[in-house]
Amino acid sequence: SQQGEEDPQALSIQEGENATMNCSYKTSINNLQWYRQNSGRGLVHLILIRSNEREKHSGRLRVTLDTSKKSSSLLITASRAADTASYFCATDAGGTSYGKLTFGQGTILTVHP
Amino acid sequence: DAMVIQNPRYQVTQFGKPVTLSCSQTLNHNVMYWYQQKSSQAPKLLFHYYDKDFNNEADTPDNFQSRRPNTSFCFLDIRSPGLGDAAMYLCATSPYRFMDQPQHFGDGTRLSIL
Repeated sequence: SQQGEEDPQALSIQEGENATMNCSYKTSINNLQWYRQNSGRGLVHLILIRSNEREKHSGRLRVTLDTSKKSSSLLITASRAADTASYFCATDAGGTSYGKLTFGQGTILTVHP
Repeated sequence: DAMVIQNPRYQVTQFGKPVTLSCSQTLNHNVMYWYQQKSSQAPKLLFHYYDKDFNNEADTPDNFQSRRPNTSFCFLDIRSPGLGDAAMYLCATSPYRFMDQPQHFGDGTRLSIL
């Protein structure tokens, strides 16, 4: 069954603007991860946030996690044309599924120069 | 640089003709994963190896097999490819299974079926 749902499916912004992507999931998790995928390439890990954490930062990226609402958001500040890519959230349910990721459908981000 | 390498990047095969995709890693990671990603969809886990221990997902078709002859290499065999198997196949690794850690992906092999 689909674990993660992402919103919006597509986002188009101008360089310098902020981009926010949201992810919702259905079951309890051990951690949640965000990945970026450039067209025709593999996935690149961005941030991992554990279930007992509420917020993490990495450079221009900020991730929040609300386990009571089963949701997460990824904020990219001061976006650049090079940020154009698909962004996926992925959940690790832990337990017998520890280390196995279930991906959301992704958000396609286009940043116009 | 340590990395995950998939060969070839593009593979074309005929309907029903067996095909093998390969993945190698220089990270010395214990866990290797195979994902299938169809156009504009999320990656879907097919199976993974924890060291030599093979773990198949319940909904992975029997048509898909995997081999891991050593730590560095892992192969995906599709015995009789159908048109529905056309997809990007992604290999990923992680150091250990039972830890909070990211997965490291190769650039994938895009498989086309004629």
